[in-house]
Amino acid sequence: QVQLQESGPGLVKPSETLSLICTVSGGSMTGYYWSWIRETPGRGLEWIGHIYHSGSTNYNSAFESRVTISIDMSKNQISLILRSVTASDTAVYYCARHFYEYGDFRYWGQGTLVTVSS
Amino acid sequence: QSALTQPASVSGSPGQSITISCTGTNKDIGSHNYVSWYQQHPGKAPKVLIYGVTNRPSGVSDRFSGSKSGNTASLTISDLQPEDEADYFCNSYVSSSALNHVFGSGTTVTVV
Repeated sequence: QVQLQESGPGLVKPSETLSLICTVSGGSMTGYYWSWIRETPGRGLEWIGHIYHSGSTNYNSAFESRVTISIDMSKNQISLILRSVTASDTAVYYCARHFYEYGDFRYWGQGTLVTVSS
Repeated sequence: QSALTQPASVSGSPGQSITISCTGTNKDIGSHNYVSWYQQHPGKAPKVLIYGVTNRPSGVSDRFSGSKSGNTASLTISDLQPEDEADYFCNSYVSSSALNHVFGSGTTVTVV
């Protein structure tokens, strides 16, 4: 059974960089897209961006200037870096797998809460 | 790009059918059939119920069905069960280079 697990600091200071890891187990990373999605009370669910196993990426333009998603196939991990965070970046961050770029998010992690506060 | 619009809450009695709507635009729901629906219980990961507007993944109960008309997609839950009490949200692919996916605002289903 495919499992995704997000990990990273639960608290980040304003203006600093948020870094999260999604570790994949129980399945191959090849042939899939891997997205980062976040959920906030005010804005609901937002798609941040995705990476294909080849390393090609596509980002939501709302985040594009400060986000980087990368993949490490040797470690079965996808990473999210979000720079210059503010309180509005406080959210539960999820990673999810989809087969097609346009496809449904078939597998999700449990999500990890990141709070931006000094 | 605004979120897709869903009713904040829907309720029903056991055995009844309920329908949750998800309204978008001709740039998302109205332009293709890449709409999916998810169920999320508190503290749990979302679970896909419907993909491609009407398709159910293996293992999902046939009490869940999806449809679409114009810019609005719908999820119907038939024979409502207590375990259906959860949050539900829709998702649509977006035909734009600036954004690939947009989500619904979410609906809380209560079984009364």
